[in-house]
Amino acid sequence: NAGVTQTPKFQVLKTGQSMTLQCAQDMNHNSMYWYRQDPGMGLRLIYYSASEGTTDKGEVPNGYNVSRLNKREFSLRLESAAPSQTSVYFCASSEEQGQGSNQPQHFGDGTRLSIL
Amino acid sequence: GNSVTQMEGPVTLSEEAFLTINCTYTATGYPSLFWYVQYPGEGLQLLLKATKADDKGSNKGFEATYRKETTSFHLEKGSVQVSDSAVYFCALRWNYKYIFGTGTRLKVLA
Repeated sequence: NAGVTQTPKFQVLKTGQSMTLQCAQDMNHNSMYWYRQDPGMGLRLIYYSASEGTTDKGEVPNGYNVSRLNKREFSLRLESAAPSQTSVYFCASSEEQGQGSNQPQHFGDGTRLSIL
Repeated sequence: GNSVTQMEGPVTLSEEAFLTINCTYTATGYPSLFWYVQYPGEGLQLLLKATKADDKGSNKGFEATYRKETTSFHLEKGSVQVSDSAVYFCALRWNYKYIFGTGTRLKVLA
């Protein structure tokens, strides 16, 4: 029962390098999310996908792109990494039932990304 | 806009002490409210939830009541254990998005 799987778990990049973070869920959820977690700032939404085929910007989208490859997979790409993007990145998914849904999110274990 | 405010930590308690972590929210409409817990090196796990006013969510001895009149969702536990040491996040859900508080670190000493 894997839930939400993120790869890689750790990564170190140099400034200017590009990278794609992978996320897959096996719960047949419609909605998927990418967050970053920084000390003292909680979780901030980068992008989300309410359903397969759609993506929308969250609170801090600059410097990132996403792809909802299929219902299971939602990837996050850093085109030109900057030290300010050093963070822990979490992918999450939820089963949506419309605007009034009360479904919780299920989280992966995170990717710890350092940019030098 | 929607927001969640929770008490800053860290909170340090002795084992078997009473726990309260305050959470208040600002939202349009009637959001669903959640408490999540994060253990070191892991992602967030749902602890409990409430979907309408006066609902009480509970799990593993933790409780929180959805108070519309005070826009609050405080987390309580009657007797904490060392294993409860973690970071706790209050969150609301409205219109496909989840808004999280900044987290409160709890440390329980034996």
